[in-house]
Amino acid sequence: EAQVTQNPRYLITVTGKKLTVTCSQNMNHEYMSWYRQDPGLGLRQIYYSMNVEVTDKGDVPEGYKVSRKEKRNFPLILESPSPNQTSLYFCASSFRTGGSLRETQYFGPGTRLLVL
Amino acid sequence: AQKVTQAQTEISVVEKEDVTLDCVYETRDTTYYLFWYKQPPSGELVFLIRRNSFDEQNEISGRYSWNFQKSTSSFNFTITASQVVDSAVYFCALRKISNFGNEKLTFGTGTRLTIIP
Repeated sequence: EAQVTQNPRYLITVTGKKLTVTCSQNMNHEYMSWYRQDPGLGLRQIYYSMNVEVTDKGDVPEGYKVSRKEKRNFPLILESPSPNQTSLYFCASSFRTGGSLRETQYFGPGTRLLVL
Repeated sequence: AQKVTQAQTEISVVEKEDVTLDCVYETRDTTYYLFWYKQPPSGELVFLIRRNSFDEQNEISGRYSWNFQKSTSSFNFTITASQVVDSAVYFCALRKISNFGNEKLTFGTGTRLTIIP
């Protein structure tokens, strides 16, 4: 089954304690992204990756790091979490066909993070 | 800078009515992609469609249709004969077309659609 998995699904942590949210896709997609969703602000892109070892910042990258050492994995790292990073996080992967004429995206189930 | 506006924060309609969700965007790019996503009450995100700015043909998928009008910078989404399962938050989004790997995606703040049985 084609899917994007995220772990953990729920996490409560304290300020400053490093954490990693994993994201994995089994579809051999080149493109992957991380988003955060906050009430009243909608969805905002944190980082994206076009392929292995190729990543770039989205609209709200501050306080986050990513890596793409393998095609299937795109972990989101919070080196020193702060309460303003309390949010719902989604990972996504996508593929394009027909010379980018068509695109399909898949999202993970979300990770709800609370930073105290 | 890119901007996507979904002015309708919440909409409620009675089941079987048609409903249109508005999306207006701003961009300086001449070519770009437009997207719609669905987030049902269960919380997952579902990709619905991607539209290319150079293709103004409207698209229909079952009860869903999308009206892209470049002249008014709008990409509206219509659900025909709405059903309770259509109740969700719907997001519109914009991404420039780039050969250099710029994959920045800008979302609107969403429209919460409630279908009343």
